[in-house]
Amino acid sequence: NAGVTQTPKFQVLKTGQSMTLQCAQDMNHNSMYWYRQDPGMGLRLIYYSASEGTTDKGEVPNGYNVSRLNKREFSLRLESAAPSQTSVYFCASRRRAVLGYEQYFGPGTRLTVT
Amino acid sequence: LAKTTQPISMDSYEGQEVNITCSHNNIATNDYITWYQQFPSQGPRFIIQGYKTKVTNEVASLFIPADRKSSTLSLPRVSLSDTAVYYCLVGDIKTSYDKVIFGPGTSLSVIP
Repeated sequence: NAGVTQTPKFQVLKTGQSMTLQCAQDMNHNSMYWYRQDPGMGLRLIYYSASEGTTDKGEVPNGYNVSRLNKREFSLRLESAAPSQTSVYFCASRRRAVLGYEQYFGPGTRLTVT
Repeated sequence: LAKTTQPISMDSYEGQEVNITCSHNNIATNDYITWYQQFPSQGPRFIIQGYKTKVTNEVASLFIPADRKSSTLSLPRVSLSDTAVYYCLVGDIKTSYDKVIFGPGTSLSVIP
């Protein structure tokens, strides 16, 4: 049981390049999330998916697109990377807990855009 | 969902008990409180969750007064490894409100 996995772990892009960050979970969770975290800052929600086939914008969706490929996988795409997108990107999934809900996070992808 | 307010940062010496308070003045009847911990260079992890009174697990205790307008995360006898950011979130028990937003959290520094 690997939990939430993210690839790649590190990536350096030049301005204008595109890339896709991959996320997969093996816990059969319905909801999945993409957050970004800038140095010394809190997490900001980019996009989320409440279930397979649905996606919704979070707090900072501009410059990103997502795909919920199936229940396991939720990818984040940067079409034309900008230096302002330099950040650590975390993927998460969520399950029903005893009282409410509980999120599980991946190890993160550290992205630098030059 | 109720807005939460936490101190931005706290310092503590090793071996002391640390209490981090989160204010959620507009908490609704169906809302519960969850705390996450984030170590440097890692994703957050769930610590504890509660609705009212006191909840304790192997990591922390969560105290929620009767009016539920605040909650306090208590870490007993902290060590250097407890240096992390702690996030307080409020969620709705009855609906699966999926748009989970984190605030800036409280950065705890444990000093030797």
